[in-house]
Amino acid sequence: SAVISQKPSRDICQRGTSLTIQCQVDSQVTMMFWYRQQPGQSLTLIATANQGSEATYESGFVIDKFPISRPNLTFSTLTVSNMSPEDSSIYLCSVDGPGYNEQFFGPGTRLTVL
Amino acid sequence: QKEVEQDPGPLSVPEGAIVSLNCTYSNSAFQYFMWYRQYSRKGPELLMYTYSSGNKEDGRFTAQVDKSSKYISLFIRDSQPSDSATYLCAMIGYSSASKIIFGSGTRLSIRP
Repeated sequence: SAVISQKPSRDICQRGTSLTIQCQVDSQVTMMFWYRQQPGQSLTLIATANQGSEATYESGFVIDKFPISRPNLTFSTLTVSNMSPEDSSIYLCSVDGPGYNEQFFGPGTRLTVL
Repeated sequence: QKEVEQDPGPLSVPEGAIVSLNCTYSNSAFQYFMWYRQYSRKGPELLMYTYSSGNKEDGRFTAQVDKSSKYISLFIRDSQPSDSATYLCAMIGYSSASKIIFGSGTRLSIRP
């Protein structure tokens, strides 16, 4: 299984600022995924990041708010821009597992916006 | 209506009890049904999956799918305090364009 690390593990930010979350995988992967997990809510896919191309965003998520970089096959970043308290959530990155239906997740970044 | 509904709990049971966790769904295109376990401060990890209808057993865990009722279950036998976690059901269709849809998770606590 892939080992995924995320930085930072948690942060408390002020309204209007931006935070960049890093995701590092111990092996090369084609696709990386970014999810949001709000309290009591389902894991929600924000976007899919392929190396060498623009990220694909899900309905309700836009590049200006959540810019993503994917500079190589083991690394990606998600920026949460112009934050508001509604952006307080856990942000998780994941990669495809060997099975069609499997994903490996990082430990998550717990973000609190004041 | 959400595509996948899951009771958030919390569910608290004594050690050794049988636990039943459930999800309902609305999209008949779902073909793979998964259960992820998420410990506190960790990311979800795949516990087991089932393709289409039927049962699948793995040690103390049994996954059950009833596609006619659009209902899936996870049973945990002889529950242990180490089973205390949030359990998320998840499902995906067969199309290459399908995405995994997750339930909101049920928080389970096993009392010693």
